[in-house]
Amino acid sequence: GQQLNQSPQSMFIQEGEDVSMNCTSSSIFNTWLWYKQDPGEGPVLLIALYKAGELTSNGRLTAQFGITRKDSFLNISASIPSDVGIYFCAGSMTTDSWGKLQFGAGTQVVVTP
Amino acid sequence: DAGVIQSPRHEVTEMGQEVTLRCKPISGHNSLFWYRQTMMRGLELLIYFNNNVPIDDSGMPEDRFSAKMPNASFSTLKIQPSEPRDSAVYFCASRSGPDTQYFGPGTRLTVL
Repeated sequence: GQQLNQSPQSMFIQEGEDVSMNCTSSSIFNTWLWYKQDPGEGPVLLIALYKAGELTSNGRLTAQFGITRKDSFLNISASIPSDVGIYFCAGSMTTDSWGKLQFGAGTQVVVTP
Repeated sequence: DAGVIQSPRHEVTEMGQEVTLRCKPISGHNSLFWYRQTMMRGLELLIYFNNNVPIDDSGMPEDRFSAKMPNASFSTLKIQPSEPRDSAVYFCASRSGPDTQYFGPGTRLTVL
């Protein structure tokens, strides 16, 4: 089950607005990943973060690895209809060298025209 | 390049029947993960392999579940006997770089 707290659970936004979501953990992570899942499909990797404080962009998406290593943020700028989906954060703990990920519960994003 | 391949995409079976889910990881990836996704519990890691060896199966619900990876290009997840509470979407994922996992399209299992 999830050990990450992801918020918000859902967002209803208008096309063109920016979207922000975050994940927090009580444990230190050495990797943060953000995935997007479309209906009927598997999660697709959007951004991977490997260093505390790292800020990485992928098109209109920007994600940051928190300085405390216990949180991460994902921003989507100027949302468009195809941004609809569920966004998951995932983290790998410092002591786990085998790449075992823990997942947040997801943020459902709905974009209205 | 082909991504992670899973089959079947959909499976409907009756309680008590054996179910076998299949996965072909991305070529060259040496780690493979099986997950289960439900509305109630989200994404749960069931088991993962490294170089075809099971590393952690602590997420496997019970003895009815078993997984094998006979070679680097194939893995199975078997449920015997299946129960209605096993209904979920089962994902396979494989790993390339540190901690980045790539997911397959999933198998939607319905046990009646």
